[in-house]
Amino acid sequence: SQQGEEDPQALSIQEGENATMNCSYKTSINNLQWYRQNSGRGLVHLILIRSNEREKHSGRLRVTLDTSKKSSSLLITASRAADTASYFCATDGGGGGNKLTFGTGTQLKVEL
Amino acid sequence: DAGVIQSPRHEVTEMGQEVTLRCKPISGHNSLFWYRQTMMRGLELLIYFNNNVPIDDSGMPEDRFSAKMPNASFSTLKIQPSEPRDSAVYFCASNHPGLAGSTDTQYFGPGTRLTVL
Repeated sequence: SQQGEEDPQALSIQEGENATMNCSYKTSINNLQWYRQNSGRGLVHLILIRSNEREKHSGRLRVTLDTSKKSSSLLITASRAADTASYFCATDGGGGGNKLTFGTGTQLKVEL
Repeated sequence: DAGVIQSPRHEVTEMGQEVTLRCKPISGHNSLFWYRQTMMRGLELLIYFNNNVPIDDSGMPEDRFSAKMPNASFSTLKIQPSEPRDSAVYFCASNHPGLAGSTDTQYFGPGTRLTVL
């Protein structure tokens, strides 16, 4: 079963709007990462947030982490058509290993 | 940087045939991962290597699947015999845990789309 579950599964917004995606996970973590996948391509790392961090920013991306609720959110502000992609959260399981478990993903479509 | 290189990009084969997927990780990375992605099951980790040694192969679906990493710059994933349910996109990723600026980040290749008829 997937460690991470993204919500919603699909999201369609207009260019310029903000997009929020949520991720829930089940076990303890050292860090949580978000990746983007464009259609037909490999995953690309966006941002990493450590378990002792609550919020992190990178450009138009804002990630929050609530370890008490075992959840994270990814906010993309002022979305663009080029942001159309699938977004995945990934967790490391907290065991100190180098293994990631990916969630089910959110398909984001940004329309002009 | 060339990034993670995978070949072939597309493979169409018939049931029962042997399939070999290839991966060249980013130079200097000492961990390599093989994933499978399908609509039904999402992205699944099949196996990963540290310093060319298989660490966790619990995701390998069955004995028809095998993976090797003979050196730091090359890995193969082999399916023998292949079955239609093996049809998926197979990704290779690499990283160097602990390297400043890239801790735990994985770098993915473009994937190999496998179709087994």
